[in-house]
Amino acid sequence: DTGVSQNPRHKITKRGQNVTFRCDPISEHNRLYWYRQTLGQGPEFLTYFQNEAQLEKSRLLSDRFSAERPKGSFSTLEIQRTEQGDSAMYLCASSFGLNNEQFFGPGTRLTVL
Amino acid sequence: AQSVSQHNHHVILSEAASLELGCNYSYGGTVNLFWYVQYPGQHLQLLLKYFSGDPLVKGIKGFEAEFIKSKFSFNLRKPSVQWSDTAEYFCAVNLNAGNMLTFGGGTRLMVKP
Repeated sequence: DTGVSQNPRHKITKRGQNVTFRCDPISEHNRLYWYRQTLGQGPEFLTYFQNEAQLEKSRLLSDRFSAERPKGSFSTLEIQRTEQGDSAMYLCASSFGLNNEQFFGPGTRLTVL
Repeated sequence: AQSVSQHNHHVILSEAASLELGCNYSYGGTVNLFWYVQYPGQHLQLLLKYFSGDPLVKGIKGFEAEFIKSKFSFNLRKPSVQWSDTAEYFCAVNLNAGNMLTFGGGTRLMVKP
């Protein structure tokens, strides 16, 4: 499968714990995006990388959230001191070139107890 | 900030009925427009996209959408739905100069066999 992959697919954690999610984009895609989706809503943009540079961050991305893309390939999204309001589906997408068509992964569903 | 509105949250149709899902966006500049679909248990997939040119765009599975600039709309249509079209449909917009997608809240379509 050469699509976007995300791990883990599900994560259950207790409030206050740290969690880290991984996204592997489509090979050679230079842009990588993180979105968050809560029940009954459309995805909301969190942050975006072009190669290893983080170019844009949403105000939704509090200081408890950090994302990296160290070698311009896979990316990690870490949430520190999780809160119940962080429970959501975290989506990763990647794209290449000027047409900016984004391909989405299956998501990581986070449940904070 | 740009926003996207999908006025129909839930739509129920019988097979062979015609479908039109509304999408309006609020931004006066040049935009790229997308419709994504999420089938039950699957990840977001691109249905169709508009960047420029012919405002009537055709996508996969018999779907089409019409960009009407004066109305800030990009409605999705299909002349005859099938049970397999049961899914959630998301309209999304991004600016030419930017890369983040802004999604509408989604429309959940149920097609009765």
